[in-house]
Amino acid sequence: LAKTTQPISMDSYEGQEVNITCSHNNIATNDYITWYQQFPSQGPRFIIQGYKTKVTNEVASLFIPADRKSSTLSLPRVSLSDTAVYYCLVGPYGNNRLAFGKGNQVVVIP
Amino acid sequence: DAGVTQSPTHLIKTRGQQVTLRCSPKSGHDTVSWYQQALGQGPQFIFQYYEEEERQRGNFPDRFSGHQFPNYSSELNVNALLLGDSALYLCASSLVGTGGAGANVLTFGAGSRLTVL
Repeated sequence: LAKTTQPISMDSYEGQEVNITCSHNNIATNDYITWYQQFPSQGPRFIIQGYKTKVTNEVASLFIPADRKSSTLSLPRVSLSDTAVYYCLVGPYGNNRLAFGKGNQVVVIP
Repeated sequence: DAGVTQSPTHLIKTRGQQVTLRCSPKSGHDTVSWYQQALGQGPQFIFQYYEEEERQRGNFPDRFSGHQFPNYSSELNVNALLLGDSALYLCASSLVGTGGAGANVLTFGAGSRLTVL
């Protein structure tokens, strides 16, 4: 499974847009990019998944450049409740053996 | 629609003991995976069950074993507990029996927090 690299932590102010980056230089042709969110003492929660270009849902947007070696999760107008660890994963569609890294701790400041 | 439920939520064991953790998957899901999450780390894949058989296994010793029942619920058993087994154990379910619908999208439970003294 392709490995990912994310910043360890980042802070953001409430109401701002937060962009969380992920590097996956060895992504394979059949790999998808999936993002999960995890609050303390809870299991990870699926946020969004994409293969190329841009994907948007009611929670976030995912931007994937043409070379697919990186991706950016965008959270619009974050609130304090968006403080969590965000994980970026890559793997082939249909693979349920997810390889989590340490994730990116995002802290939203009032 | 109930999500993934796990029990117990917290438990304390001593070294050498055995533990059984239980998981009921989300309604309609047929596959259960187990993950171990140590403090400050991301979840690590233990194994996956589908059609009552272990289909994939991560890098965990044979002390870790599991079972899936006909109703898709699952158990994780850990024998000869070590201090290093202290972690949050997460169960995740998905639907793959019909060609991958929802594949890569797992629904996780809140986990069972195991402390080994």
